[in-house]
Amino acid sequence: GENVEQHPSTLSVQEGDSAVIKCTYSDSASNYFPWYKQELGKRPQLIIDIRSNVGEKKDQRIAVTLNKTAKHFSLHITETQPEDSAVYFCAGKAAGNKLTFGGGTRVLVKP
Amino acid sequence: DSGVTQTPKHLITATGQRVTLRCSPRSGDLSVYWYQQSLDQGLQFLIQYYNGEERAKGNILERFSAQQFPDLHSELNLSSLELGDSALYFCASSAGTGLGDEKLFFGSGTQLSVL
Repeated sequence: GENVEQHPSTLSVQEGDSAVIKCTYSDSASNYFPWYKQELGKRPQLIIDIRSNVGEKKDQRIAVTLNKTAKHFSLHITETQPEDSAVYFCAGKAAGNKLTFGGGTRVLVKP
Repeated sequence: DSGVTQTPKHLITATGQRVTLRCSPRSGDLSVYWYQQSLDQGLQFLIQYYNGEERAKGNILERFSAQQFPDLHSELNLSSLELGDSALYFCASSAGTGLGDEKLFFGSGTQLSVL
């Protein structure tokens, strides 16, 4: 089955700097890669997703890149703000409909 | 508010007991997913239903079972509870065909504490 690994597990950045989280996946048949943000005590919410026929997708300060050859995808947050502090989860969907999540990255934006 | 309703919000019980967690998906969504989130852990996929049928299964223990009813609400049953079952259990729903490549809308979760 699909295995998704996420790095780093914690990330501390200065406000205004960029944050990058990287995920690798094992199943070359994976075709859908969403990112979810979970604020403290809240439910996970989708912030951006990318499908295997696209190499990059942007939404304001957030972007995701996908490298199918290397089987990794990354989340980029530019101009970080305190409200970006949260746990971010990547996920991959391979055969069998299962959406497998990475272990999460705790991002702390220091003012 | 995601539109996904989970009850109860909190559940405290003892080892060996059985509990039922309930989830009502967003109006119109046919797919329901169950995830387990332990302290400082990621989201572990348990099981998915689509329009009453089991669609995908994750690392769900044999002590756990689930079903989706004709009105599309779902229940997750946890039996012979152990201390390690203490976790936050999320339900999520999605529109579309339930193939796993759709946006998930999560409920607020049920916090289970086994003492």
